[in-house]
Amino acid sequence: AQRVTQPEKLLSVFKGAPVELKCNYSYSGSPELFWYVQYSRQRLQLLLRHISRESIKGFTADLNKGETSFHLKKPFAQEEDSAMYYCALNSGAGSYQLTFGKGTKLSVIP
Amino acid sequence: GAGVSQSPRYKVAKRGQDVALRCDPISGHVSLFWYQQALGQGPEFLTYFQNEAQLDKSGLPSDRFFAERPEGSVSTLKIQRTQQEDSAVYLCASSLVVLTGELFFGEGSRLTVL
Repeated sequence: AQRVTQPEKLLSVFKGAPVELKCNYSYSGSPELFWYVQYSRQRLQLLLRHISRESIKGFTADLNKGETSFHLKKPFAQEEDSAMYYCALNSGAGSYQLTFGKGTKLSVIP
Repeated sequence: GAGVSQSPRYKVAKRGQDVALRCDPISGHVSLFWYQQALGQGPEFLTYFQNEAQLDKSGLPSDRFFAERPEGSVSTLKIQRTQQEDSAVYLCASSLVVLTGELFFGEGSRLTVL
């Protein structure tokens, strides 16, 4: 069974400081990994996925199969980055399900 | 609107009551998902529809939970004889492609069972 672990429930950083939101997964195959974000009073939305290897709003995430991690990083945090961030996994091979972590609340202190 | 619409946004039910939650996906989206999100947890998969076919219902927690999408568009999640542990936000999401790609979520229906 697949599992996604986000070890931090809450992460507080100062504006302009680097941010790293941790995500570890357990799955023996070749999963697809995603980061979803929920800003205050907004719906859950896709931030980025590992297969596209793009930077969205300054965030990047690299899939490390050796460490089974997919950490989300941004070099300089902005106040508007404050939100709930969820890491999610799809096992691929025709699977429909996304398995989500419990989420990390990022608070950027001005 | 162009997004996924869910109703009601808030529902309070007495234990034992039946509830029905509605989801209007984005027009033309083939895939429709229901997720349950308990307080402090991430969303957990309940069920998946491809058009009107329910292809996966492995996440439904008990036979009190039932979902349908009869015409391949609007979907209803029904919970019979609600229990306190059913209290959660129920999220609907739709996707243009068949397999999991980018999911577009609704705002959710918050169910509180007293």
